[in-house]
This record gives sequence, C-alpha cells and structure tokens, in this order.
Amino acid sequence: QVQLVQSGAEVKKPGASVKVSCKASGYTFTNYAMYWVRQAPGQGLEWMGWINGDNGNTKYSQKFQDRVTITRDTSASTAYMELSSLRSEDTAVYYCAKVGTAMGCDYWGQGTLVTVSS
Amino acid sequence: QSALTQPRSVSGSPGQSVTISCTRTSADLNNYNYVSWYQQHPGKAPKLFIYDVSQRPSGVPDRFSGSKSGNTASLTISGLQAEDEADYYCCSYAGSYTSVFGGGTQLTV
Repeated sequence: QVQLVQSGAEVKKPGASVKVSCKASGYTFTNYAMYWVRQAPGQGLEWMGWINGDNGNTKYSQKFQDRVTITRDTSASTAYMELSSLRSEDTAVYYCAKVGTAMGCDYWGQGTLVTVSS
Repeated sequence: QSALTQPRSVSGSPGQSVTISCTRTSADLNNYNYVSWYQQHPGKAPKLFIYDVSQRPSGVPDRFSGSKSGNTASLTISGLQAEDEADYYCCSYAGSYTSVFGGGTQLTV
C-alpha cells in the first residue's frame, strides 16, 4: 500500500532554515511527481511547489521561489523540502503529496508541524 | 488572494444536496483544467475526492460528483451525511507547471 511518511515536528528560530523529509513506499518513486503543500493554523491549503520524481525537475510558487528548495533521493525514495529565512508566518503544517492522474494528489503524508518562534 | 474563489461556508441538512463552487478569478490561470477536490477533517491530512474535474477515486461514494462550466468548477454532494461535515478545497493546474488551491469551504451538516 502507498505510504508517505514525513519527518517529525520542528521548532525553529526566525531566520533559520528547516528541511522536511517525505519517505515514499508502495509505488515506484520515480514514476510520479510530489507536491509540497502547507497549511497555517486555521488557514487553507497553499501550494508551494513540486518535483518530478524521475528527472528531479522542480517548479515553485512565486511566493516561495526565493526561499524554498525541493529535492529528492531516488535511492531512498524520499523527497525533501527546505525552507530558509524562516519567519513567524511560516508556522504551519507542511504536507507532501503524491501526484497521480490528472494532477490529483492521491496520497498525502501525515503532515509535519513547523513552528517558528524566538 | 487565491486565483480560485470558493464560498467560505455552506450548509445543508442530512439527506439534502449541496454544491460548492470554485471560480477562476485570475486571467493568468490558463487552461482551467485538471481540477481536483479534497476533503479535510480537522487535524487530518486532505483526502482526494475528485480529480480531472469529475473523476472519483475508488472508495469515494458516488454521492460526490464534480463538474465544470466555463470558469466555475463545482462539487456536489447529494444525500448529505453527518460524516461529510468537513472543509473542502478545490485545486487546479495554473499554468507554467504550477498549481493553486482555492481558499476552502467549510461544510456544515
């Protein structure tokens, strides 16, 4: 069965960086892309970017273009999302999601809470 | 402000039908295709309920249906049940290999 298991909660200070991992199992990692989506407390879902599992090509939301880096390790079937220059507004749950048919996200990770606080 | 606009909330009684709209508000949102819908219960990860405008993944009840007309995609839930109470989000391809989510709709049953 398909599973996406994300790394644990993080607490960071403003200005720091955070790297969240997403380990995939139950499918061929290189055959599908992965989205990263975040959700601030009490807010909606926000698309951050994605990575092609095969060739590693990425595309980021303009909002995060300068601060986010999405990478993957095919040998470990794991995708990573690194967000730099953190500020309090980046406090959110960060999700990875496997991109399936017609760009529907058919499987999601459990979410990783990142708290930015001085 | 999201390029996809959803009503903040909708409500209905058990057994009734409700429709949640998702309207493209940005001219930059080329090719309003690949619309998907997600259900999210509090504290849980989103779950895919509709993809490719109107396709249901296996396991999703046929009470849920999707459609699109012009700049507006819609999710219709018929025969409302208490367990349908949740937040619903639309998502669309936004061109240039990017995607965007609507602001979300809280459904009260």
